[in-house]
Amino acid sequence: KAGVTQTPRYLIKTRGQQVTLSCSPISGHRSVSWYQQTPGQGLQFLFEYFSETQRNKGNFPGRFSGRQFSNSRSEMNVSTLELGDSALYLCASNSGGSEKLFFGSGTQLSVL
Amino acid sequence: AQSVTQLGSHVSVSEGALVLLRCNYSSSVPPYLFWYVQYPNQGLQLLLKYTSAATLVKGINGFEAEFKKSETSFHLTKPSAHMSDAAEYFCAVSDPIVGDMRFGAGTRLTVKP
Repeated sequence: KAGVTQTPRYLIKTRGQQVTLSCSPISGHRSVSWYQQTPGQGLQFLFEYFSETQRNKGNFPGRFSGRQFSNSRSEMNVSTLELGDSALYLCASNSGGSEKLFFGSGTQLSVL
Repeated sequence: AQSVTQLGSHVSVSEGALVLLRCNYSSSVPPYLFWYVQYPNQGLQLLLKYTSAATLVKGINGFEAEFKKSETSFHLTKPSAHMSDAAEYFCAVSDPIVGDMRFGAGTRLTVKP
């Protein structure tokens, strides 16, 4: 069974641009969560989607948005990028319960 | 809402010494608790989880953690550190009904030869 796949692996953008990150969950998993990881803040919860609906949301500004498709694949979009958005963005999936998450390797975003 | 606090952003031990990584949680409902490990340039992997069964939980690679409700703690231990244990460790808490897993800030473990 393939794991959680995130693309692209690395991204370099400039301030003011927007970016879209993609996550393909493990086959059969209906829940996808997104996290931002930075050295100073650790892992911060962005949002969780389940069956195409946002089920939970963290404390991030509206520039951060996401969606989930009918095949459970998810995208995360960040508009009007700021330097502070530079981070590793991790996607995780599970079958929809509250037990363990399966993580992808992340997308490393650098904003210049 | 749930939250976790990991005490100590960096822990350094000698090879063969006891590993103790501290985690305290806050939750309005009986929580599920987890420890994850992250190796460089990789995502997180589950080490162990507590889901209201046995309070002493054994995980992979010789790690274990004990759920102590009275202390709201879920500390991670390993009797003898190995060089390959060097990584970042994250404690996490989840509401059994809602899900919504929240992570601590992480503890970087260094193992000295």
